[in-house]
Amino acid sequence: QKEVEQNSGPLSVPEGAIASLNCTYSDRGSQSFFWYRQYYGKSPELIMFIYSNGDKEDGRFTAQLNKASQYVSLLIRDSQPSDSATYLCAVTEVTGGFKTIFGAGTRLFVKA
Amino acid sequence: SAVISQKPSRDICQRGTSLTIQCQVDSQVTMMFWYRQQPGQSLTLIATANQGSEATYESGFVIDKFPISRPNLTFSTLTVSNMSPEDSSIYLCSAARQGAGGELFFGEGSRLTVL
Repeated sequence: QKEVEQNSGPLSVPEGAIASLNCTYSDRGSQSFFWYRQYYGKSPELIMFIYSNGDKEDGRFTAQLNKASQYVSLLIRDSQPSDSATYLCAVTEVTGGFKTIFGAGTRLFVKA
Repeated sequence: SAVISQKPSRDICQRGTSLTIQCQVDSQVTMMFWYRQQPGQSLTLIATANQGSEATYESGFVIDKFPISRPNLTFSTLTVSNMSPEDSSIYLCSAARQGAGGELFFGEGSRLTVL
């Protein structure tokens, strides 16, 4: 069973702090890694994607990938109350058919 | 990006009935998927909707319960058959373009309540 594991939280951080979200995956054949944000009652929306080992930065967001450790993380700098949402880690596999598996999500609360 | 429209957005159904959810994408996409999100849970992949052929179902989901159609590159339907209260969930249609890195676009979801 291919799995994507996340700490469900909730993770609570003060406004302006760095929020760190973590994810591990079981399938070494995974090729693409994504972070989606889901506000309550809404559909997921893509925040970041990363394919190669290392860091990728986009504005206040940084995704980190370590394929050897099968570990993906998302850092949110200068957290804002509007960042309060559930963050879903997702892993896409291509071998055996293209499909994306989601983690359980981490609920983030940013306190004003 | 792609804009995905789903309908119905919500429905309340009686046990034993069936409901078909429609998904329309505003442009051609390579792949379409159906996910289920139960209350407070993450997304579980039901199946990949294959254009012009039978859908590919994930473990725990079967065609008799969740028949899927995809007659062309922009449209798909999911039917939830012989519903029970355990089928109460949000059903999400999603799509991806090959070569676009695997990003998924989502519809707004169909919230289904079975009494």
